Amino acid sequence: DGGITQSPKYLFRKEGQNVTLSCEQNLNHDAMYWYRQDPGQGLRLIYYSQIVNDFQKGDIAEGYSVSREKKESFPLTVTSAQKNPTAFYLCASSIAANEKLFFGSGTQLSVL
Amino acid sequence: AQSVTQLGSHVSVSEGALVLLRCNYSSSVPPYLFWYVQYPNQGLQLLLKYTSAATLVKGINGFEAEFKKSETSFHLTKPSAHMSDAAEYFCAVRGRGSNYKLTFGKGTLLTVNP
Repeated sequence: DGGITQSPKYLFRKEGQNVTLSCEQNLNHDAMYWYRQDPGQGLRLIYYSQIVNDFQKGDIAEGYSVSREKKESFPLTVTSAQKNPTAFYLCASSIAANEKLFFGSGTQLSVL
Repeated sequence: AQSVTQLGSHVSVSEGALVLLRCNYSSSVPPYLFWYVQYPNQGLQLLLKYTSAATLVKGINGFEAEFKKSETSFHLTKPSAHMSDAAEYFCAVRGRGSNYKLTFGKGTLLTVNP
């Protein structure tokens, strides 16, 4: 079945540690996105990529980094510079700008 | 810059009653507009989208939304609420052209009372 797989489902980060969230899609979509969801804040865009080897900052990119070396993969690294990383992280993809986003089931990141 | 405002962070209705979730957008050109639904601890699913064809858009699960340019609104409605409609609903806007950036509202939590 085609879809988006996010792993792990739950992740814990220690102070000063970088952690990487995985996002893989087998939908053959060009565009991929990372959103952060906090209660009452909706979804805020962290980074997006329209094509392999290219990505753009979203609204809250500080403290995060991404790579897009393969079409099907768009990992997100939460660096130690992100001082408030506890949130639900959602990865998505789309085939075109005006088409719908397909979402993964999310990763809940918490700080120890 | 494009944005959406969802009026009401929490809406409560009785089963069988009308559902109305409000969304107003801000965009310099007619945008693409979307409604998504999120069930607890899951990703989002598309309910419907407006891309400049008919102004009344029908989606899944009996939901529909009407694009009103004069009011810059895209409110979501359903004639009769079902218990399974309880979820969080997000309005989203994307600009025209090759802009892939989708901006979400803060969401409206819908509860359905028996």
